[in-house]
Amino acid sequence: QAQLVQSGSELKKPGASVKVSCKASGYTFTSYAVNWVRQAPGQGLEWMGWINTNTGNPTYAQGFTGRFVFSLDTSVSTAYLQISSLKPEDTAVYYCARYGDMTPDYWGQGTLVTVSS
Amino acid sequence: QTVVTQEPSLTVSPGGTVTLTCASSTGAVTSAYYPNWFQQKPGQAPRALIYSTTNKHSWTPARFSGSLLGGKAALTLSGVQPEDEAEYYCLLYYGGARVFGGGTKLTVL
Repeated sequence: QAQLVQSGSELKKPGASVKVSCKASGYTFTSYAVNWVRQAPGQGLEWMGWINTNTGNPTYAQGFTGRFVFSLDTSVSTAYLQISSLKPEDTAVYYCARYGDMTPDYWGQGTLVTVSS
Repeated sequence: QTVVTQEPSLTVSPGGTVTLTCASSTGAVTSAYYPNWFQQKPGQAPRALIYSTTNKHSWTPARFSGSLLGGKAALTLSGVQPEDEAEYYCLLYYGGARVFGGGTKLTVL
């Protein structure tokens, strides 16, 4: 059974950076893309983009270019989301999800990133 | 900017039937938008229910079904259970990009 396990909650100051990990197990990592989704407190889901786990090529949604970087370490079946120059409005739960057959089917448990001085 | 619109809230009685819809600002939703539906309960990650308009995941209860209805994607719950109270989100595909709807808060009362 596929499983995605994300790293723990983070508390960061404005201007700092954070790197969230998403470790996959139970399937061949490079057979499925990884999507990233943001959910601000009390708000809906926002699709941030995805990364091709074969080529490492990322695609970013509007509003998630510049400070957001998707990366991989296929040797440990892990995807990463790095956010730089953090702002208070980046405070949110960030989810990774396995993507195949036009669906994000298995999701990580989410990582809360809090940005506060 | 593309906007995907869902009913903000709906209420249904236990055992009843309710249909949630998902509209696109670009026009009628078709199967080419590969509509997906997700359920999210408070404090939990979203759970995938329906993909590519009508397809169920292996864990999706039989009472959930997806369709196209009047130019929108639709999620129908038949024989609603108290545990179906949750937020429901649709996701549409726009040639490389994906956009979530704003979500529908379903109350079972």
